Amino acid sequence: DAGVTQSPTHLIKTRGQQVTLRCSPISGHKSVSWYQQVLGQGPQFIFQYYEKEERGRGNFPDRFSARQFPNYSSELNVNALLLGDSALYLCASSLGQTYTEAFFGQGTRLTVV
Amino acid sequence: DQQVKQNSPSLSVQEGRISILNCDYTNSMFDYFLWYKKYPAEGPTFLISISSIKDKNEDGRFTVFLNKSAKHLSLHIVPSQPGDSAVYFCAASAIMTSGTYKYIFGTGTRLKVLA
Repeated sequence: DAGVTQSPTHLIKTRGQQVTLRCSPISGHKSVSWYQQVLGQGPQFIFQYYEKEERGRGNFPDRFSARQFPNYSSELNVNALLLGDSALYLCASSLGQTYTEAFFGQGTRLTVV
Repeated sequence: DQQVKQNSPSLSVQEGRISILNCDYTNSMFDYFLWYKKYPAEGPTFLISISSIKDKNEDGRFTVFLNKSAKHLSLHIVPSQPGDSAVYFCAASAIMTSGTYKYIFGTGTRLKVLA
């Protein structure tokens, strides 16, 4: 069984650009969450989507947006990139909105120069 | 506002001995706790969890203890193996206004098991 897959694995962008990160959850999982992990810190919650609706949002600016598609895959978009957006972006999938065990993908390493 | 704290950034243990990783939290409303292990260039891997209605959960070499009055949990690994060398994250499951959950992570403890 395929786990959570994220693409791309690495990305280099210039300040001010826009980026789209993609995530495919485990088959049968309907909930997708996004986390940002800055070096030396634990992952920080950005968004949760369940059944294509946003169910939670962390303390991130409006430059961050996301969506979930009918097949439950998800995209995270970040506009007007700043150097501080450089981080590992993790996607996690779980069965439902109240299921508390989540499975993470390998992440997308974003570097903003 | 760090609601989940792992005060030891690193820990070295001899192979075969016990590894004890600690985690403290501030919010008494947290009702579920998890430990994740992370190798470089990989995403976090779920290790073990515990509900707030329990004080201990065991899975093979891994045991998690929860002390609600002290708002403290610990992960014990016995015996420690070199393959256990990784960064360990403690996480608390927090309910959001939508009724769904998010994880709040600590900053991690890097465990090194020496052969």
